[in-house]
Parts: sequence; structure tokens; C-alpha cells
Amino acid sequence: EADIYQTPRYLVIGTGKKITLECSQTMGHDKMYWYQQDPGMELHLIHYSYGVNSTEKGDLSSESTVSRIRTEHFPLTLESARPSHTSQYLCASSENGQALNQPQHFGDGTRLSIL
Amino acid sequence: SQQGEEDPQALSIQEGENATMNCSYKTSINNLQWYRQNSGRGLVHLILIRSNEREKHSGRLRVTLDTSKKSSSLLITASRAADTASYFCATAPGANNLFFGTGTRLTVIP
Repeated sequence: EADIYQTPRYLVIGTGKKITLECSQTMGHDKMYWYQQDPGMELHLIHYSYGVNSTEKGDLSSESTVSRIRTEHFPLTLESARPSHTSQYLCASSENGQALNQPQHFGDGTRLSIL
Repeated sequence: SQQGEEDPQALSIQEGENATMNCSYKTSINNLQWYRQNSGRGLVHLILIRSNEREKHSGRLRVTLDTSKKSSSLLITASRAADTASYFCATAPGANNLFFGTGTRLTVIP
């Protein structure tokens, strides 16, 4: 399995709280991604990064923000959580290089529930 | 789905049987990838097939790609209970990101 870690695995928290979901990888990958996945549904890309100081919004609009200060770390933050943010959040990374669309390595996700 | 759709949505078979899942997509692609997701876990990459390839094998997995029909299939031979998972196809229409389908939930009955 890939060396990409997400914490916490599960989080139940009240509305209005600030939340940071952590994602770290030890593979030296430049590219990292955040996906949102509801149970039994497809993955939607919400943020991605090509490297340090690079962040881009994905295909699904999200109220979350991300930062990429270090290569290995790509945290996602929700400033004020709402019940509509309840979902599973998956972090992934992919290898560098010229080849397009390299396979992505996923963490085990954070299952977030906002009360 | 924006790009890929798997068929069937759910599949239940006996251990030892073969399982076939199909993926259809909408636009031209650079490559197509298949992933497995066990319950409560992240996705694991299984196999990548490039747009100029028609068939690829990896162990008990066989993937075909028909770009004229914009479709791909994943065949798992001699299935095992441990193959129980959701299987997703992901397409790469551009230079950057992947688009995932809705997945096929496979149950292999011991």
C-alpha cells in the first residue's frame, strides 16, 4: 500500500467549528489531490496541487481551502463547518514526471459528520 | 457522472466465477485507469491502459479498451471473497486530472 496518511479517520463535530483535515505523503510526490465522496457515489475533485505554493480548485465547488507549504503536506480546512459538509474526504498523490495522468495513491480518508 | 459510468451498479457472484464490469465514457482520453475500493478505505490503483492499447493483463485482471465505442471492461477471473469491493474506472480526458465513475459494487460469495 502507498505511504499516504490522513488524520483523523473519523470526525464528528458541531456546526460552526473550524476543521482541518490532515494529509501527508512520504513518497516525494509533487502532485496532490483532495476528493469528496458521498457513500456509494463517485469521487469529486475539490482541490489539487502541482507542488509547493501551488493550489487549484477542482471540478466540484467547495467551501474548503487548502495549502501546500511543504511537499509532503496538503491540509484541507473548513472555516465554519455545516451539515452539508458531511461526507468522506479522500487525499491522493501521484508521481512526478512528463507522463500524463499518472496513477494516484490514496489515503484511507476522513469520514466527516457535522451535527 | 461527468465522464465515466460503470455497469452494472452491483454484481454478486460465487467464488471461482469470473466478474466483468464495464465502463463507458464521453470524451476522448489519454488513458483509462481502474481502481478498487474496499469498504471504509481509500482507492487502490489496479491497472492503467493507454488510449493506443486495446488489452492489458495483470495477474487475474484483464482490461480491454475500445476507443471507438468509448468503453472499457474489467474482467476478474477466478474470483475470491477478498475481491469483494467497489471498482471504479477513471478517465483522463486532458493533461491534468482524473474523472471517476460511479463504481460497481462487487460481492463474491464464498
